[in-house]
Amino acid sequence: IAGITQAPTSQILAAGRRMTLRCTQDMRHNAMYWYRQDLGLGLRLIHYSNTAGTTGKGEVPDGYSVSRANTDDFPLTLASAVPSQTSVYFCASSARDSNPLEQFFGPGTRLTVL
Amino acid sequence: AQSVAQPEDQVNVAEGNPLTVKCTYSVSGNPYLFWYVQYPNRGLQFLLKYITGDNLVKGSYGFEAEFNKSQTSFHLKKPSALVSDSALYFCAVRSLTGGFKTIFGAGTRLFVKA
Repeated sequence: IAGITQAPTSQILAAGRRMTLRCTQDMRHNAMYWYRQDLGLGLRLIHYSNTAGTTGKGEVPDGYSVSRANTDDFPLTLASAVPSQTSVYFCASSARDSNPLEQFFGPGTRLTVL
Repeated sequence: AQSVAQPEDQVNVAEGNPLTVKCTYSVSGNPYLFWYVQYPNRGLQFLLKYITGDNLVKGSYGFEAEFNKSQTSFHLKKPSALVSDSALYFCAVRSLTGGFKTIFGAGTRLFVKA
């Protein structure tokens, strides 16, 4: 692995189903983030984690949960998917949260909720 | 509250001509400013950042940006556009008083015609 990987690449999901989007980084970055990208709205932060064991809410956290059991993995779970969660989801990481370092992004997961 | 505005949804330029993609921001305290580029079906890639110092920042692929505190702007520029520069460009801002959160603009699509 080099950088950030996300799985699946794309998914079509029935409303009401549970879904976990996976994110793994091999850069030993402390901070990780989940964004959703919607046309005309840019990227909006869903949840973040400053370091392993801690998480926090972003701009649009409702309907989503995250965990950070270790440095490398930061899964995003939709407990009961709704059509408004149709979006492209990006995971990102940065080296240190206290410094304004740039973020590194994964390739994204395209999710469609029907 | 932090905010970023990219006033143009789309910018069209001819290959070889200079390009400018506009960005204005609003933050409390000193801003940390970033530009990212997104190619089709890919995650965002970091281009350049302004933290402190010289107002003219140089980044990847010949891009540069000028920080203007009085106008609260951070426009992205390139002296001579290439067709391969065609992509979606995002401006982002972060301040220490805003914590770790980075706010992204809605994005500007750049079309460079041969």
